[in-house]
Amino acid sequence: QQPVQSPQAVILREGEDAVINCSSSKALYSVHWYRQKHGEAPVFLMILLKGGEQKGHEKISASFNEKKQQSSLYLTASQLSYSGTYFCGTEILLGAGSYQLTFGKGTKLSVIP
Amino acid sequence: DVKVTQSSRYLVKRTGEKVFLECVQDMDHENMFWYRQDPGLGLRLIYFSYDVKMKEKGDIPEGYSVSREKKERFSLILESASTNQTSMYLCASSLYPGVPLNTEAFFGQGTRLTVV
Repeated sequence: QQPVQSPQAVILREGEDAVINCSSSKALYSVHWYRQKHGEAPVFLMILLKGGEQKGHEKISASFNEKKQQSSLYLTASQLSYSGTYFCGTEILLGAGSYQLTFGKGTKLSVIP
Repeated sequence: DVKVTQSSRYLVKRTGEKVFLECVQDMDHENMFWYRQDPGLGLRLIYFSYDVKMKEKGDIPEGYSVSREKKERFSLILESASTNQTSMYLCASSLYPGVPLNTEAFFGQGTRLTVV
């Protein structure tokens, strides 16, 4: 079952901020965030584990609310290079050592000059 | 660098054909995944495997099967290709969760399959 991402798309001017949200109805082991540029494979940005930690990666950071099974990705002072489709991936323990990684429908981010 | 290699970038097959999509990773990862990507639907999990000969159904397994005879290789099989299986197929691999607790998934470049 795919996690739910919002918004579906967002257009920013350079220097503006954005927040992308991800929620799941299942108990999560971790949340991943990836960015995919047109014609390329998705690339890992960061992972957040149970514990509600917040992580940062240059001007991109994320938080994970374990109780609500929600994560948010924060992009500050956006740059043209941030354009792409962002996916959250939710990792669920199924048992017997099996972990399922499921992705949302993606958020298309366009940064314009 | 981790490398996940998919055997073909583009593939055209006829309806009813049996189709094999191959994926090989070179980092001794336990987990391997097959997704299909369609506009507006994101990445949908077809099958995944956490060990040799082990497989688990994802969200959309109908019409597909998989094989993992060796740790580094994960094959997706379309038993009888249909036009609604025209899509971009992405393979990914990751470490088994544990120590270190980093299960970053590495993706292949994808196979664009067209069924005519």
